[in-house]
Amino acid sequence: SQQGEEDPQALSIQEGENATMNCSYKTSINNLQWYRQNSGRGLVHLILIRSNEREKHSGRLRVTLDTSKKSSSLLITASRAADTASYFCAPFGSSNTGKLIFGQGTTLQVKP
Amino acid sequence: DTAVSQTPKYLVTQMGNDKSIKCEQNLGHDTMYWYKQDSKKFLKIMFSYNNKELIINETVPNRFSPKSPDKAHLNLHINSLELGDSAVYFCASSQQGRPSGELFFGEGSRLTVL
Repeated sequence: SQQGEEDPQALSIQEGENATMNCSYKTSINNLQWYRQNSGRGLVHLILIRSNEREKHSGRLRVTLDTSKKSSSLLITASRAADTASYFCAPFGSSNTGKLIFGQGTTLQVKP
Repeated sequence: DTAVSQTPKYLVTQMGNDKSIKCEQNLGHDTMYWYKQDSKKFLKIMFSYNNKELIINETVPNRFSPKSPDKAHLNLHINSLELGDSAVYFCASSQQGRPSGELFFGEGSRLTVL
């Protein structure tokens, strides 16, 4: 089963700046999902991008997927202090045998 | 209404004790999971049940025993607790038939073994 590997492990920015997180994976996928985890809380699904999509938007979130490079990125525009959280990617394909595997995530700190 | 609820939220206990964590989902999903998150935030899947049947059983000590009385509930019982069991345990659910595999997580149960 494959998991995503997020990069960087930690990111610190000022409020109003954009934050970009990257995810790499190893085998073919059906989709790739991004989740957010606020401190002391459970993971919350943010966005799903299918293997035949290249870009997807949801509010201030923009996700891209490059299947040839086996990578995805999550861009948060005009960040807010409330965006401070850990972000996890989870590639999902036939090799996952029905389970999502998570990495260590990217810890984002947005300073007010 | 909480979609996936776990109890207790915090659990502090001594080494060697036995404890249980309970999970319930009201989303009508047919698949439930237990994940363990360590201090470095790695989330590792432990078990998965589909319609009360165990379908995923990762390399987990047999001191951990999941039980699913029905498809809306998945409990985790841990025998002879060890220091290394200290972690946050997350319950999650999904609808197996969906191709997305999107998971809905509970808020976690933080277990501290002293």
